[in-house]
Amino acid sequence: NAGVTQTPKFQVLKTGQSMTLQCAQDMNHEYMSWYRQDPGMGLRLIHYSVGAGITDQGEVPNGYNVSRSTTEDFPLRLLSAAPSQTSVYFCASSRTQNTGELFFGEGSRLTVL
Amino acid sequence: GQQLNQSPQSMFIQEGEDVSMNCTSSSIFNTWLWYKQEPGEGPVLLIALYKAGELTSNGRLTAQFGITRKDSFLNISASIPSDVGIYFCAGRVTSGTYKYIFGTGTRLKVLA
Repeated sequence: NAGVTQTPKFQVLKTGQSMTLQCAQDMNHEYMSWYRQDPGMGLRLIHYSVGAGITDQGEVPNGYNVSRSTTEDFPLRLLSAAPSQTSVYFCASSRTQNTGELFFGEGSRLTVL
Repeated sequence: GQQLNQSPQSMFIQEGEDVSMNCTSSSIFNTWLWYKQEPGEGPVLLIALYKAGELTSNGRLTAQFGITRKDSFLNISASIPSDVGIYFCAGRVTSGTYKYIFGTGTRLKVLA
């Protein structure tokens, strides 16, 4: 029962470095998304995908890229890390874009120095 | 960006007490979700609501979709120490977008 799997769980970067947060789901879900969670704020949508080959921007997309080459995987790329990107990142998926239930991974905690 | 107003922000209660929390929005939603998050973990889905007026239970948890479609409520009955955590609501707007808006959470602490 893997569900939504995120790696790495923890990462420390220096300003300007790039990295990719991995997200994989084994539930054959069409819809996948990335959120960031910051103290005192609700989860904010970064990017989302309604199916393989289709991605779109969320509320806070700047500084992040995504791609969706397979149904299972939805990696989030930080092109040039900034301290403002220090956050906890969550990947979430649902069966389709119209299905209400959204399931989350365990999160990736990123610190940018 | 738009956020839901979730209240209270935190609660300290005695074991065995009932708990109520709510979320309100200026937008009309077609779906409400309630989550629990524990330290170092991802949010875990507790209850999903799809129709105005809907009342759904999951064990000691009961949630309602407000009839105005702008609010939702979560009740926990007979609280126990393992209920400790942060409870989030999430609402999905009706405009055809596939996006959820999340509340800032209610931090619950249960005193044994």
